[in-house]
Amino acid sequence: DAKTTQPPSMDCAEGRAANLPCNHSTISGNEYVYWYRQIHSQGPQYIIHGLKNNETNEMASLIITEDRKSSTLILPHATLRDTAVYYCIVRVGGFAGYGGSQGNLIFGKGTKLSVKP
Amino acid sequence: DADVTQTPRNRITKTGKRIMLECSQTKGHDRMYWYRQDPGLGLRLIYYSFDVKDINKGEISDGYSVSRQAQAKFSLSLESAIPNQTALYFCATSRGSGLEQYFGPGTRLTVT
Repeated sequence: DAKTTQPPSMDCAEGRAANLPCNHSTISGNEYVYWYRQIHSQGPQYIIHGLKNNETNEMASLIITEDRKSSTLILPHATLRDTAVYYCIVRVGGFAGYGGSQGNLIFGKGTKLSVKP
Repeated sequence: DADVTQTPRNRITKTGKRIMLECSQTKGHDRMYWYRQDPGLGLRLIYYSFDVKDINKGEISDGYSVSRQAQAKFSLSLESAIPNQTALYFCATSRGSGLEQYFGPGTRLTVT
């Protein structure tokens, strides 16, 4: 699996855009970029995923560079409720089973985003 | 996510006791998962099920068993609880091949 690198922490002012970077320089052509977040002690929450094209949903936008070696999750208008740990995960598309290269979601250390008033 | 519920939300039990954690979902998803989370170790997969007749071990299945009673229900049992099974347990669901998983609120289990 491609390894991801995220900054350990970031601050963002409430109402401003939060831009969370993720480096995945060893990503393979069939690997997707997934983003999850976890608010303290709650279950992880799926945010968005993409392969090559930029993606947008009601929660966020995902910008993937043309060479796919990095991506940025954008929360357009951060609120205090967006304070959480954000995880960037690179995986082949689909959960085919545990073991080898087709294992489960692997959550690294993520980026702790603090949205401040 | 209210579509995935877990009971109980908190449980304290003693070493050697049998414990069952339950998960129910109203999302209509075919796949269900059990994870545990420990501080500094992230999420680790215990068991997963692709449909009612399919049960698979995950990364750390020793000491645990599961039952998929229906498409919507997936329970996790600790046959004889031990203190190092103290953790936060999450159930999750997905549709089809998805790594787009939807997690329940978690069960905080303490084994004394």
